[in-house]
Amino acid sequence: QKEVEQDPGPLSVPEGAIVSLNCTYSNSAFQYFMWYRQYSRKGPELLMYTYSSGNKEDGRFTAQVDKSSKYISLFIRDSQPSDSATYLCAMSAITNAGKSTFGDGTTLTVKP
Amino acid sequence: DTGVSQDPRHKITKRGQNVTFRCDPISEHNRLYWYRQTLGQGPEFLTYFQNEAQLEKSRLLSDRFSAERPKGSFSTLEIQRTEQGDSAMYLCASSPGFGSGANVLTFGAGSRLTVL
Repeated sequence: QKEVEQDPGPLSVPEGAIVSLNCTYSNSAFQYFMWYRQYSRKGPELLMYTYSSGNKEDGRFTAQVDKSSKYISLFIRDSQPSDSATYLCAMSAITNAGKSTFGDGTTLTVKP
Repeated sequence: DTGVSQDPRHKITKRGQNVTFRCDPISEHNRLYWYRQTLGQGPEFLTYFQNEAQLEKSRLLSDRFSAERPKGSFSTLEIQRTEQGDSAMYLCASSPGFGSGANVLTFGAGSRLTVL
């Protein structure tokens, strides 16, 4: 079983919808939680970064971490066609800063 | 600074040949990472450097793989005697060497390897 499991998708939504992307994990040592966006044939780019539990908001994006349930989420409000991409969750422990464990990604398509 | 640069972007080779990829990280970043990504999967950690020191290697990194970062600047990843299973995207990333920012990776566009 993988340390990080991500809802596989694919996900297709109409423009303007609220999108919820989710990951679960098993390693209690994970303290840093990241969401990356990856367009086809490109490298991942960081969207959101959270330390420990709680919520973080940045524009249309909200990241939530529930360490008690080992569950993280990314919400996208007012989704746009330009949000169409693969979203990867990633996590790392304090003792291994930068060595991230990634989920397998959820591919999102936002239809105009 | 133009971010993390990787070269070549795409390499096609025959089984058994050697290939080498180069990565130029963000100049202020002490740490450099190599990840491998196959279709439909997330990136998998291969190895990382703090300056010129290689601090950790994944068990995924077989003896045919070697990485260097000779002066703590650019890095190379060499694969000897390539196999078809080596076909993947090889991603380089860099980060600051300290503080919470050490967890935030800036990735390059990747080097895609196709082994025929």
